[in-house]
Amino acid sequence: NAGVIQTPRHKVTGKGQEATLWCEPISGHSAVFWYRQTIVQGLEFLTYFRNQAPIDDSGMPKERFSAQMPNQSHSTLKIQSTQPQDSAVYLCASSLEGWGNTLYFGEGSRLIVV
Amino acid sequence: GDSVTQTEGQVTVSESKSLIINCTYSATSIAYPNLFWYVRYPGEGLQLLLKVITAGQKGSSRGFEATYNKETTSFHLQKASVQESDSAVYYCALSSNTGYQNFYFGKGTSLTVIP
Repeated sequence: NAGVIQTPRHKVTGKGQEATLWCEPISGHSAVFWYRQTIVQGLEFLTYFRNQAPIDDSGMPKERFSAQMPNQSHSTLKIQSTQPQDSAVYLCASSLEGWGNTLYFGEGSRLIVV
Repeated sequence: GDSVTQTEGQVTVSESKSLIINCTYSATSIAYPNLFWYVRYPGEGLQLLLKVITAGQKGSSRGFEATYNKETTSFHLQKASVQESDSAVYYCALSSNTGYQNFYFGKGTSLTVIP
């Protein structure tokens, strides 16, 4: 049973360019989360989908970040006009819904903005 | 809102010594959240170390233990004798279930075990 798959694993982009990150959750998992991981801030919640519907995007920087889940096996995080402060590891995670369920993480996409 | 506070920054412990990483939580949306410890070993993804979903219970894995204490709202991670292979980043987390299940993480504790 494959885990959460994230691509690309590493991405270097120039300041002002666009970056798109992909996530394939574990099959059958109805909840998909995106987090941003940095040394200073730790794990920051970005957004959450349930059954493909956006539920909570309170952690998303509104101007340049967007996330979609066009089908149950695929979610994307898009960052427009990337800035150096966007450099981080972006983690996707999925889980079953319900009490006590565990969040399973992908290995992350390391974004470096130069 | 719901939040988690844990020992921040870097912790260095000599091999075979004991370890405690503090974690306290605030759960305003739910009385008894689920509590988790996640770990990221060098070169690996973030993975579950242990979880406890019932107040008063203890979880254990790989020699680590954590007890869900609702009186002190704490979930400290302990190990009696650490090994070099325990060097990793540890995250305390809680999940709530108020309409939907969201997860809240502490900022992480980087553990280095020196031989």
